[in-house]
Amino acid sequence: EAEVAQSPRYKITEKSQAVAFWCDPISGHATLYWYRQILGQGPELLVQFQDESVVDDSQLPKDRFSAERLKGVDSTLKIQPAELGDSAMYLCASSSPGVSGANVLTFGAGSRLTVL
Amino acid sequence: GNSVTQMEGPVTLSEEAFLTINCTYTATGYPSLFWYVQYPGEGLQLLLKATKADDKGSNKGFEATYRKETTSFHLEKGSVQVSDSAVYFCALSSQGAQKLVFGQGTRLTINP
Repeated sequence: EAEVAQSPRYKITEKSQAVAFWCDPISGHATLYWYRQILGQGPELLVQFQDESVVDDSQLPKDRFSAERLKGVDSTLKIQPAELGDSAMYLCASSSPGVSGANVLTFGAGSRLTVL
Repeated sequence: GNSVTQMEGPVTLSEEAFLTINCTYTATGYPSLFWYVQYPGEGLQLLLKATKADDKGSNKGFEATYRKETTSFHLEKGSVQVSDSAVYFCALSSQGAQKLVFGQGTRLTINP
């Protein structure tokens, strides 16, 4: 079964350092999402791509976060500088239009970030 | 804006007990509704979905019915197993949008 690949699975960094996460969506999925999941809460959308274009980054803290999907395939999410409050699970998901009319997102295993 | 509210956890049950996890939503129009499950150390997996009023989604013994009159999508299972221990998330996607809006999650623990 096709999977969304993410790396690294775990990252520990000190505050003010830079950190990057990588995501490879399911082949053929045009839409890619980055979500942040703080411990004990539901995931919240950071950014959504359609091919290489950003369609929603309204909740992305743009002073320190950036995301790109240059060739419309894999994607990188960067944080610089990291802050203590950035400690969370960063989830990548991808989707393609569903035949049933529902847009089903497939999630990767996530990248857990701890900022010290 | 769109939002999802789930019953607060954690929920602890004995094996073979009946499970209900409540979920209500606020959205304009006719959203699609989903339940996702997250096992320890893993990402979210789709459990079931419903795309219109009165639809019933089902999978692995779990069921949920899309109730527009009560704006609810409660998750039920007749007889839970230890392997059902996980965090369950209710979510919606509004008409014309692709992204999911999630509830806060409900942690379920099943004791043998």
